[in-house]
Amino acid sequence: GQQVMQIPQYQHVQEGEDFTTYCNSSTTLSNIQWYKQRPGGHPVFLIQLVKSGEVKKQKRLTFQFGEAKKNSSLHITATQTTDVGTYFCAGNVQHSGYALNFGKGTSLLVTP
Amino acid sequence: EAQVTQNPRYLITVTGKKLTVTCSQNMNHEYMSWYRQDPGLGLRQIYYSMNVEVTDKGDVPEGYKVSRKEKRNFPLILESPSPNQTSLYFCASSWTGLIAPYEQYFGPGTRLTVT
Repeated sequence: GQQVMQIPQYQHVQEGEDFTTYCNSSTTLSNIQWYKQRPGGHPVFLIQLVKSGEVKKQKRLTFQFGEAKKNSSLHITATQTTDVGTYFCAGNVQHSGYALNFGKGTSLLVTP
Repeated sequence: EAQVTQNPRYLITVTGKKLTVTCSQNMNHEYMSWYRQDPGLGLRQIYYSMNVEVTDKGDVPEGYKVSRKEKRNFPLILESPSPNQTSLYFCASSWTGLIAPYEQYFGPGTRLTVT
């Protein structure tokens, strides 16, 4: 079954509010990747984190990888309507081949 | 233009009629993979391939076959489709690191309905 859990499943915010989605794994991950899928589209890669405790920023988006490499988060500051979509995390379980386990995703709705 | 292509984009078929969904990439990626996406379940990996003639099961391989005879192509075969295989299918490709695949480039998706 899916080894990467992601919460919340849905989030509805007013434009300008912040948003955070969380991923958790019961096993240590080699890396964590984040994707965004717009309605009707395909997933598009956002970022990859590899190091324990790593933090990366892309404009209003902040990505973190936990110290134990078992959890990660994506935080969006001051959401905009263009942020609407589903955000997925995906991790490769350490020492377990090259399979990629996706979380179920968090669907973000932003109302103006 | 670097891209992953899938065909067909839409397919309606009947139970038991063998079908193949093709996937091709022009980026010389070693890693290719198939996912299915269902409401509430996110993306689940079906099969992946590390290189030509090297394939491995993902999370939900039952009822599917794959082959990797050429580096650029990775077809998904449903020998005897059933209604529970109705789904949105994505093919993806990437470079491979020492311990894990890199960023996945996704195709546009194939919406399959099995009646």
